[in-house]
Amino acid sequence: DAKTTQPNSMESNEEEPVHLPCNHSTISGTDYIHWYRQLPSQGPEYVIHGLTSNVNNRMASLAIAEDRKSSTLILHRATLRDAAVYYCILRDIGWEGNTPLVFGKGTRLSVIA
Amino acid sequence: EAQVTQNPRYLITVTGKKLTVTCSQNMNHEYMSWYRQDPGLGLRQIYYSMNVEVTDKGDVPEGYKVSRKEKRNFPLILESPSPNQTSLYFCASSSGQGAQKTQYFGPGTRLLVL
Repeated sequence: DAKTTQPNSMESNEEEPVHLPCNHSTISGTDYIHWYRQLPSQGPEYVIHGLTSNVNNRMASLAIAEDRKSSTLILHRATLRDAAVYYCILRDIGWEGNTPLVFGKGTRLSVIA
Repeated sequence: EAQVTQNPRYLITVTGKKLTVTCSQNMNHEYMSWYRQDPGLGLRQIYYSMNVEVTDKGDVPEGYKVSRKEKRNFPLILESPSPNQTSLYFCASSSGQGAQKTQYFGPGTRLLVL
């Protein structure tokens, strides 16, 4: 899987929007961009994924740059429950074999009440 | 509720005493996997299973065994645990292989080997 770069930590006020950036300058044309998060003392949890177009679901939005070299996870209104480590992961859709998730260091998001 | 369950959640044991960590999913998923999480090393895959009776090694299989006799269960066996297996373990499942498949994780099992 290609490498991703994320800030180590970010802070947000409760009920404010949060934009979590991810750089993936070596992304290939067959890489999907996935986001997972890990809340304290819990297992990782899927958030969202996309290929080229922006994506929305009940948890978040994913904005993908036109050249696909970067993306941004958007939490529209951060709550205390959103405090977690967020991981941006690239996964090659051309491979249908074993595809373990490769977690980097991620971004630790703190939410202030 | 769709979920992956693991037991026990916390375990303290001594070197050499065989143990099993159970993992069960209720989503009828074919693919299951075990990871360990260590500070500074992220999550690393131990073993995976593509379906019943089909298992294979991940990146760090030494010291571990698995079995997949039923679709819903994928136990992790440590025949002779050692202190370097002290870690946080996660079981995961998905509806198939491939990069588009969302993986669902259990709550984790924190293991301390003395």
